[in-house]
Amino acid sequence: GAGVSQSPRYKVAKRGQDVALRCDPISGHVSLFWYQQALGQGPEFLTYFQNEAQLDKSGLPSDRFFAERPEGSVSTLKIQRTQQEDSAVYLCASSDLGLGFQPQHFGDGTRLSIL
Amino acid sequence: DQQVKQNSPSLSVQEGRISILNCDYTNSMFDYFLWYKKYPAEGPTFLISISSIKDKNEDGRFTVFLNKSAKHLSLHIVPSQPGDSAVYFCAVRHFQGAQKLVFGQGTRLTINP
Repeated sequence: GAGVSQSPRYKVAKRGQDVALRCDPISGHVSLFWYQQALGQGPEFLTYFQNEAQLDKSGLPSDRFFAERPEGSVSTLKIQRTQQEDSAVYLCASSDLGLGFQPQHFGDGTRLSIL
Repeated sequence: DQQVKQNSPSLSVQEGRISILNCDYTNSMFDYFLWYKKYPAEGPTFLISISSIKDKNEDGRFTVFLNKSAKHLSLHIVPSQPGDSAVYFCAVRHFQGAQKLVFGQGTRLTINP
């Protein structure tokens, strides 16, 4: 079946521009996560949704970062007034909410480069 | 503070031999421990997990060991195959409701023919 889909795969923006990154989770998955991965590092948690509710946004680095999932399916991560330090791969993951442990399944990410 | 550490940035193993990847953690409040595998330009792929109440879990060529007293996690791959060449990340999940994963920095495994 279809996995987690992210778009665009690559995004180049000038410093100060706003960007929007999209995530289509696996169909039926209740939980959705955003992570940021810097070069040579492991992914770092940004935010978590259960359906349309944003239950944890403790990892968002500043108020320039905003995420939404209005209908409990597709999610958008928006970064306003981008800075060079925002350059990273942004990964989206989804998981089911069944009994027992459900692993997170990742998309291929969006590589964001800020010039 | 780094809660999860993979101290070996890289590992090279001959095809057919055993690969052992290691991970240390600092917090006793984690309930699940996972390993992910990542190829270039792709997202991490879930490999295997272990609950904090167990000390071993096996799935085909992959076995994960958990030593809670030492706060140490390891992944054994045997026999190693060329397709196993990738970056491996360990990840942990806090037991108290938080769904987020905390990842190590990764270990690049290269399997030599």
